[in-house]
Amino acid sequence: GNSVTQMEGPVTLSEEAFLTINCTYTATGYPSLFWYVQYPGEGLQLLLKATKADDKGSNKGFEATYRKETTSFHLEKGSVQVSDSAVYFCALSSGGYQKVTFGIGTKLQVIP
Amino acid sequence: DAGVTQSPTHLIKTRGQQVTLRCSPKSGHDTVSWYQQALGQGPQFIFQYYEEEERQRGNFPDRFSGHQFPNYSSELNVNALLLGDSALYLCASSRTGNERTDTQYFGPGTRLTVL
Repeated sequence: GNSVTQMEGPVTLSEEAFLTINCTYTATGYPSLFWYVQYPGEGLQLLLKATKADDKGSNKGFEATYRKETTSFHLEKGSVQVSDSAVYFCALSSGGYQKVTFGIGTKLQVIP
Repeated sequence: DAGVTQSPTHLIKTRGQQVTLRCSPKSGHDTVSWYQQALGQGPQFIFQYYEEEERQRGNFPDRFSGHQFPNYSSELNVNALLLGDSALYLCASSRTGNERTDTQYFGPGTRLTVL
């Protein structure tokens, strides 16, 4: 079956530090890959996505590249801000019907 | 353009009771999926509705049931509530069509507490 493995948090960074959150996946077929973000007390927001190998998704300074050879979709940002503090979920959709399989989530805390 | 809306925001029930949660999809979307997110965990897929039928189901017992109305809105019903049903319930909407490019958009969730 499909599964997503992402690094456990929490991750604590100083403002303007470089961020990497690792994500690897197992899936049948050719999945679409996503990063969702969940701010405290809120639902999930789509941060970025990639639908085929070597695609790069980007939004709000965050980037992730679909690596089929390593089955990875690592999230990166060059300079984090306090407002980026949230829980980040790596996810995939495969096999039709857009059912999404999520990782456990990585909590990011950015301190001034 | 309104996004996905859910009601109520919070709900407190006791064991054995029944609960109904509601979801209105984003404009232009015809498919609704429901997820359960336990504290500190990622969301788990419950089921998906399209054309008023349950199209796909995750590993949840029959106590969890749903419905989709002609206007695409949806309800999630949970019978015989257990303490372990306490969670954030998320509704997501999407369009059935090109699954490779279309994306699920999530509502703010309903926080259910079972005492």
